[in-house]
Amino acid sequence: ETGVTQSPTHLIKTRGQQVTLRCSSQSGHNTVSWYQQALGQGPQFIFQYYREEENGRGNFPPRFSGLQFPNYSSELNVNALELDDSALYLCASSFGGGGGETQYFGPGTRLLVL
Amino acid sequence: EDQVTQSPEALRLQEGESSSLNCSYTVSGLRGLFWYRQDPGKGPEFLFTLYSAGEEKEKERLKATLTKKESFLHITAPKPEDSATYLCAVRTNDYKLSFGAGTTVTVRA
Repeated sequence: ETGVTQSPTHLIKTRGQQVTLRCSSQSGHNTVSWYQQALGQGPQFIFQYYREEENGRGNFPPRFSGLQFPNYSSELNVNALELDDSALYLCASSFGGGGGETQYFGPGTRLLVL
Repeated sequence: EDQVTQSPEALRLQEGESSSLNCSYTVSGLRGLFWYRQDPGKGPEFLFTLYSAGEEKEKERLKATLTKKESFLHITAPKPEDSATYLCAVRTNDYKLSFGAGTTVTVRA
């Protein structure tokens, strides 16, 4: 069974640029969620995709957007990067779409905005 | 608004010295409480899911319990490899996982 994978592992961007982060969900999972984790804090929910549709969103501006593909992999896009966007971005996959199912996390992508 | 508070922020233990971590929550429509372990620079690793008050789960030296307002993670006779940040999260009716800030546990040999 393949776990959740994310790419790239590290990324450095400058303010105002755009970035795309990628996630492959665990085998058999149809739901992907994205989280932002600042240093010393717990992860903050960005949004969730279930069967290619966004079905939940946290308090993040529209410049944070995403996609889920037919194979249930996913992308997180961030436009007009700001210094405060520097964080660990985590992807989590699960099966079910929104009940009490367990989410399994990938290793994360560390984004640094200069 | 949903709130999840973990205490203490940090815990330093001697090897073999048992202790407990607390996670208190104020949410509407709890659909599950989750414990994760996170090592520095890595993604959270799933430990337990609890769904109803009175439920308990165990794995090696860890035991998680749940009441209507809080959950405890008990660490029995910890070893240095148990050093990590332990995160508590709640799942509510609007699908998201709300995390606490975590408790960083350091176990000295």
